[in-house]
Parts: sequence; C-alpha cells; structure tokens
Amino acid sequence: NAGVMQNPRHLVRRRGQEARLRCSPMKGHSHVYWYRQLPEEGLKFMVYLQKENIIDESGMPKERFSAEFPKEGPSILRIQQVVRGDSAAYFCASSPSGTGGADGYTFGSGTRLTVV
Amino acid sequence: QKEVEQDPGPLSVPEGAIVSLNCTYSNSAFQYFMWYRQYSRKGPELLMYTYSSGNKEDGRFTAQVDKSSKYISLFIRDSQPSDSATYLCAMIADGSGTYKYIFGTGTRLKVLA
Repeated sequence: NAGVMQNPRHLVRRRGQEARLRCSPMKGHSHVYWYRQLPEEGLKFMVYLQKENIIDESGMPKERFSAEFPKEGPSILRIQQVVRGDSAAYFCASSPSGTGGADGYTFGSGTRLTVV
Repeated sequence: QKEVEQDPGPLSVPEGAIVSLNCTYSNSAFQYFMWYRQYSRKGPELLMYTYSSGNKEDGRFTAQVDKSSKYISLFIRDSQPSDSATYLCAMIADGSGTYKYIFGTGTRLKVLA
C-alpha cells in the first residue's frame, strides 16, 4: 500500500511562472492537508480539503495560492506568479476521516520549490 | 511569542547516550501532542502521539506531557547514529479541528559514532 505520493520532488520556477504541486493520498483516504516548511521554520498549515470541497483554507496566502481536490485525480496546490519568498518545501498528508489528525497523520516526502 | 517553542540545536551526543528533546507551549487548549522525525530532504515521520498529560513509551522512545507546566519531552534511550535527524513537536488544540497542527521549529540531533 503506497503512502502519500507527491510530485514532483523538486521544482524550479522563474519568478512570475506558475507552480503546480500534486499530492495523491493514501488509498482509501479522502481528506488531504497541505503544509509549508520555510527554511529554518516549522511546518505551517495551509489548507484542508475533502474530495471536491475546501474545508479550511485559513493558512493559505490570500493571493496567488489555490488548492483543489477533484473527484478524480490528485490534489493540486497551485501557486501563480511565483516569487522568491515562495521557495519552500510543501508537504501534504492524508487521512481516512477528518479526525485522523488526532492520531498523527502520514506526510508525503514533499515537493521542494525553488524560485530563481 | 510563538505558540510552540523548540530549541533548534544542534544537539550532539555520543552513541548510547540518553537524549532529551523538549518543547514548551503557551496555548492551554492544546490537547494532542505529537513527535515527528525528519531526515534531511525527507518528509516528517510520526514517532509518537499522546492525548492530554502523562507518559507513553514505544521501544527506545518515551514521550512525556506536563500540561501544568506546558512542557512536553521526547526521550531517546541508547541513541544510535541513525537517530540523527530533526525532531519536530506538533500540537492540536481541542475545538480547532484535529487537523491543524502547530509545529515547533525542530531540534537537530546528531548522534556521534
């Protein structure tokens, strides 16, 4: 049973380009969470999605960032017009229910975004 | 003041030593406490989770929560070079939804052979 799969592992974008990060949850999981880890900082919550619904996006920057989790396919975190400050590691996690976090959920290996 | 404080280290210990890693927090609503291990360039890996106060043991790892002091600890016995990693504490507040973790910045641990 594969874990949480994220791709690409590394992504380099020039300032102003768009970045698309993908997350395939564990089999049977319908809840996905995105976190961002800036250099020398802990992980920070960005967004919680269920299939076709955004449940909590309180950690997402107001502009340029969006997330979706369609009925079919992976969850996508999209960053438009990237800036150097977006350079970070982006991790997603999944759980079978919305209370899965209380037991500690499983993270993917992350996508490391570098903006040049 | 950050909600969760964690000494970034690095903490260097000889192989076989007992390691003590700690976090302090300010939000008394935190009820769930987790420890994650993160190797360089990898995702965080769950080590331990506890609810409310008390101790929990799993092999060489022991997690302690002292809610009266707002202080949590992770002890590693008989430390090995393979334990060299960054250790992150994470917490969830009751009522916030059990998905919004608040992480410490992590402590880098080096176990010297």
